[in-house]
Amino acid sequence: QTVVTQEPSFSVSPGGTLTLTCGLSSGSVSTSHFPSWYQQTPGQAPRTLIYNTNTRSSGVPDRFSGSILGNKAALTITGAQADDESDYYCVLYMGPGSVVFGGGTKVTVL
Amino acid sequence: EVQLLESGGGLVQPGGSLRLSCAASGFTFSSFVMSWVRQAPGKGLECVSIIGTNAANTYYADSVKGRFTISRDNSKNTVYLQMNGLRADDTALYYCASRVTTVTTKYFQHWGQGTLVTVSS
Repeated sequence: QTVVTQEPSFSVSPGGTLTLTCGLSSGSVSTSHFPSWYQQTPGQAPRTLIYNTNTRSSGVPDRFSGSILGNKAALTITGAQADDESDYYCVLYMGPGSVVFGGGTKVTVL
Repeated sequence: EVQLLESGGGLVQPGGSLRLSCAASGFTFSSFVMSWVRQAPGKGLECVSIIGTNAANTYYADSVKGRFTISRDNSKNTVYLQMNGLRADDTALYYCASRVTTVTTKYFQHWGQGTLVTVSS
């Protein structure tokens, strides 16, 4: 059973930078997992932020960036703003029809 | 403008059935893999089912395998999720999402607003 791991929560000050990670319970994350990231604010549907590790979806500001850091995928938010306060989910592709969400990271901006 | 409009949710007793629908517009529906992603109250997201462009390939999470059936009608730009044998832990907001699935790119591209399924006696 593949488990995708994310930090449960993260706090950042306005204007600060944070890096969220997305790992595997067993093994390393690589570009072959096609890491993608989604933002969800309370009561709203998810919004696609990043796909293919580091490609921003249409309309996503360049404050959001994706990468591979060590053995994990990473989402970095620079210049954090109040409306970045959301839940962030990563998704890894594990094979045909096998798409696994991480547990999500709740980001607080304070 | 891309739109995914889910419907069919509601309150159902344990063991009951529901059929969710997702009507798509604003893109070439028949060219996209489609999926259902659910979110239990206060919990994270879970991909429960995926269907290929021509419906030949379908995939299910272990949690719903044997109880849920995904299908699509490309002539109606609609994807369905037939849910049988519903259990309390199927209670969730069910999102329809289009999925880009090519050799070089894989991700959920567009999302609907969701339809709520509540399983309770």
